[in-house]
Amino acid sequence: EPEVTQTPSHQVTQMGQEVILRCVPISNHLYFYWYRQILGQKVEFLVSFYNNEISEKSEIFDDQFSVERPDGSNFTLKIRSTKLEDSAMYFCASSKREGREETQYFGPGTRLLVL
Amino acid sequence: AQKITQTQPGMFVQEKEAVTLDCTYDTSDPSYGLFWYKQPSSGEMIFLIYQGSYDQQNATEGRYSLNFQKARKSANLVISASQLGDSAMYFCAMRERLTGRRALTFGSGTRLQVQP
Repeated sequence: EPEVTQTPSHQVTQMGQEVILRCVPISNHLYFYWYRQILGQKVEFLVSFYNNEISEKSEIFDDQFSVERPDGSNFTLKIRSTKLEDSAMYFCASSKREGREETQYFGPGTRLLVL
Repeated sequence: AQKITQTQPGMFVQEKEAVTLDCTYDTSDPSYGLFWYKQPSSGEMIFLIYQGSYDQQNATEGRYSLNFQKARKSANLVISASQLGDSAMYFCAMRERLTGRRALTFGSGTRLQVQP
């Protein structure tokens, strides 16, 4: 069964460094998302992406964040200058369209630790 | 106001018994989708079950069923015949459709522990 994949599974970085988190959504899905989950807290929406542009973003998704679909399969989240509070699990998700097809399927996550 | 409320931070259930995990939601949008996800200790988010606001019947997926009470704005997850592998965090989530938003709003989760 097709699934969303994410790399790396874990990333440790120094404060102020740039990180790129990578995702391969399910191949016939049209919508792509990033969420994050700070340890012990609820899952929070960051951004959604459709037709090669951002369709929605939360207040968390500030100028330090950007997303890109550089080719037909990858979907990336870049954090330009990481802060300690960016430490979290980052989930990529993808979905089709509406009705039951709006279900968002999540990848296994990238655990980011900023030191 | 919380959009998704899960009032049970932790639940215990005996193996092979049924358990109900509560979820209430708050929206003025007449069109929405409700979802349950399972998060084992390994961290991934696993989709379990979906209910659309206009669905006439309660959703079922194997041992999972959703007790959808629209007037009460509740969408409780029922797990029948609990197994040790069901021990995990369970999150209820909602997508409000009419605004065109696709973001899921999650509850704070319920940690379920299945005891042998």
